[in-house]
Amino acid sequence: DTAVSQTPKYLVTQMGNDKSIKCEQNLGHDTMYWYKQDSKKFLKIMFSYNNKELIINETVPNRFSPKSPDKAHLNLHINSLELGDSAVYFCASSPLGGGVHNEQFFGPGTRLTVL
Amino acid sequence: QQPVQSPQAVILREGEDAVINCSSSKALYSVHWYRQKHGEAPVFLMILLKGGEQKGHEKISASFNEKKQQSSLYLTASQLSYSGTYFCGTELSGGKLIFGQGTELSVKP
Repeated sequence: DTAVSQTPKYLVTQMGNDKSIKCEQNLGHDTMYWYKQDSKKFLKIMFSYNNKELIINETVPNRFSPKSPDKAHLNLHINSLELGDSAVYFCASSPLGGGVHNEQFFGPGTRLTVL
Repeated sequence: QQPVQSPQAVILREGEDAVINCSSSKALYSVHWYRQKHGEAPVFLMILLKGGEQKGHEKISASFNEKKQQSSLYLTASQLSYSGTYFCGTELSGGKLIFGQGTELSVKP
């Protein structure tokens, strides 16, 4: 049973396109996150939701929009994709507010390549 | 704001020990440690909290010096399975984790 799942695993697209990445967790956690990991392995938080409410919104271009239809799902929509968006995007979840004293469970990642 | 890890990379023989350090310029609520193998997701190892409480892996130990805003991860009697990139994450106010740049550990037979 997969705890945190993401789809798709790989995403190759042209500049200017719009794409979405989906994330689901079956752990019953309250908090979910999106991270971006660049080619140098730098892992940077983008967004965090707690019970469908946005609680962390880092300095991310407006082209990135997260949506949480329920506390088990957190999707990431990206408009007008740019070359610099190429990276691995990880979804993660955590109980009770995440970083506050609790481990985060990461999904397998989505490798986005923008051509 | 990003914590600094040292060393950036280390190569060990099986059975050897290693220490990975993490240093922050900001006051910390907690420090998290994760390991990421190539092509995989980061996996939780340990959390160190202010006041000395720890949660995590049985075979890995770590320390957290609150005054110096530093943490160290101790890997003893390393195994091949320890290879990967180790990240420290420092928790700032609001529950946000800021990860260091990573330390790449290679364990050779």
